[in-house]
Amino acid sequence: EVQLVESGGGLVQPGGSLRLSCAASGFTFTTYWMHWVRQAPGKGLVWVSRIKTDGSDRGYADSVKGRFTISRDNAKNTLYLQMNSLSAEDTAVYYCARGGTNRGSIGLDYWGQGTLVTVSS
Amino acid sequence: EIVLTQSPGTLSLSPGERATLSCRASQSVSSSSLAWYQQKPGQAPRLLIYGASSRATGIPDKFSGSGSGTDFTLTISRLEPEDFAVYYCQRYGSSPLTFGQGTRLEIK
Repeated sequence: EVQLVESGGGLVQPGGSLRLSCAASGFTFTTYWMHWVRQAPGKGLVWVSRIKTDGSDRGYADSVKGRFTISRDNAKNTLYLQMNSLSAEDTAVYYCARGGTNRGSIGLDYWGQGTLVTVSS
Repeated sequence: EIVLTQSPGTLSLSPGERATLSCRASQSVSSSSLAWYQQKPGQAPRLLIYGASSRATGIPDKFSGSGSGTDFTLTISRLEPEDFAVYYCQRYGSSPLTFGQGTRLEIK
């Protein structure tokens, strides 16, 4: 059974940093692109970032470029999101999601339960 | 960046009716890169449709997707109580990925 379990969310002050983790199991982690998607309270889904199977290709939404860094540890089957210079606009539930393989994609077919990040003083 | 606009914002229907949700792209989207998701309160999104018209694993055939170019549609036939939720379209593939703003399907 595919499982994605996020952790690392919490309350952080404006300007602060936080690192999210997503532990993956039940599939061959090294063969899938992985994504982060966020959802502000009462709002819609917003794609944040993605990373290729081997970490060699990373993409970011303009709203987080230069502040957030996606990475993965394939030996630990874990995806990360390092978030710096946080502001209130980054307050959201952050989901990790499985993307496609290097041969193609069918969208984001598995999602974690999400971890809440609250940026407030 | 390709912008996806969903309509209507809210759709009020009764169980047993048919729902038609629209997703319009600001420029042409490859049909192989258009997906639909369902999200219920307090839950993560669930993939329904990929490649504009292919159902994801375990999705019943009452959900169907169609369209090409800039206009895509999600149709839900014979609405049941558990179908009332928020639905999002998404363009995937090349970065940046984008989501529509969502359509809320509510019980009339």
